Amino acid sequence: QVHLVESGGGAVRPGGSLRLSCAASGFAFSDFPMHWVRQAPGKGLEWVAFIRFDGVNTFYADSVRGRFTISRDNSKNTLYLQMNSLRPDDTSLYYCAKDLGGGYPQFDSWGQGTLVAVSS
Amino acid sequence: QSALTQPASVSGSPGQSITFSCTGTSSDVGGYDYVSWYQQHQGKAPKLMIHSVSNRPSGVSDRFSGSKSGNTASLTISGLQAEDEADYYCSAYSDSSTLVVFGTGTKVTVL
Repeated sequence: QVHLVESGGGAVRPGGSLRLSCAASGFAFSDFPMHWVRQAPGKGLEWVAFIRFDGVNTFYADSVRGRFTISRDNSKNTLYLQMNSLRPDDTSLYYCAKDLGGGYPQFDSWGQGTLVAVSS
Repeated sequence: QSALTQPASVSGSPGQSITFSCTGTSSDVGGYDYVSWYQQHQGKAPKLMIHSVSNRPSGVSDRFSGSKSGNTASLTISGLQAEDEADYYCSAYSDSSTLVVFGTGTKVTVL
């Protein structure tokens, strides 16, 4: 049974940084691409970042490219999101999501999310 | 990259069938068969209901079905039940500058 647990969220000032983590269990973590998806309060889902199963390739949404960095440690079954230069519009619940593994991005398991609040 | 367009809300009575759409472009919905649908109950994480346009993951009720025509994908819920009341989001692979685009979301209300 797939289990994804996010952590590292919190309150931060504009321009600040946070590092989110996602601990994965119940599946062969190193075999699957992973994603971060966020949801602003009362709003819809927004894809944030992707990382290939081996960490070699990454992709980012236009809104975070150059500020956020996705990474993974397959020895620790953990996914990360380093967020720098945070802005108020980055305030969201951040989900890590497991890729279905079919070669194109579709999300078959989700964590419960960790909340990031950016405010002065 | 704009979000995929979904109706804001759809409603139906128990037992009825409802269908709602997800409209994109030839760069996403129309160009690839990698459209998925997610159900999100209030305060909960999304759940995959349909992947690759029309495929149901194990454990998802066969009352849920998906289809696509041109740049528009659709989700049908048959035999509507109270537990189906939730927000539904589509997503699609995109060959533009962003890898994935989500829909605007549809709130399903069971009358």
